[in-house]
Amino acid sequence: DAKTTQPPSMDCAEGRAANLPCNHSTISGNEYVYWYRQIHSQGPQYIIHGLKNNETNEMASLIITEDRKSSTLILPHATLRDTAVYYCIVRAGGTDSWGKLQFGAGTQVVVTP
Amino acid sequence: IAGITQAPTSQILAAGRRMTLRCTQDMRHNAMYWYRQDLGLGLRLIHYSNTAGTTGKGEVPDGYSVSRANTDDFPLTLASAVPSQTSVYFCASSRGMNTEAFFGQGTRLTVV
Repeated sequence: DAKTTQPPSMDCAEGRAANLPCNHSTISGNEYVYWYRQIHSQGPQYIIHGLKNNETNEMASLIITEDRKSSTLILPHATLRDTAVYYCIVRAGGTDSWGKLQFGAGTQVVVTP
Repeated sequence: IAGITQAPTSQILAAGRRMTLRCTQDMRHNAMYWYRQDLGLGLRLIHYSNTAGTTGKGEVPDGYSVSRANTDDFPLTLASAVPSQTSVYFCASSRGMNTEAFFGQGTRLTVV
């Protein structure tokens, strides 16, 4: 699976959009981009994933560049409860590859009042 | 409530003792995983199982063993615990390829 690079930390004001970047320049054609987050002392929580197209759900939006070498997770209206470590992961798909989640160090996001 | 359950929540274990961390899911997911999380190192995969009856090694498998006798259970065993195995352990499961994984709440293990 391709590796990812994320900034170690970022701050965001409550109520504002949080834009979390991720570089995955060695991503392969069959690899998906996944985002998880981990709130202190809890298990990681799935947020969103995508292959090529931008994706949106009730939690966030995922913007993937056309060359797929980077992506941005957008939390549209950050709240204090969004303070967490956010992990960007690339994971292979395909019928012969169940994939294994390999987590990096992630981005510590702190939402301030 | 459907989900993934880990037991125990926390444990203090003497070095050299054997310990099994339990993980059960009721979502009928095919794939299951064990991770350890240490400060500054993120989550690292220990072992995984694509389906019942099969297992594979992850990034840090030494000192751990797993079994997958059925779909629901994926126990992790430390045959002879060492202090470096002090960590928070997370179990996860996913329906299969290209699907999101669900995590348990973790087991905090301290080996003294």
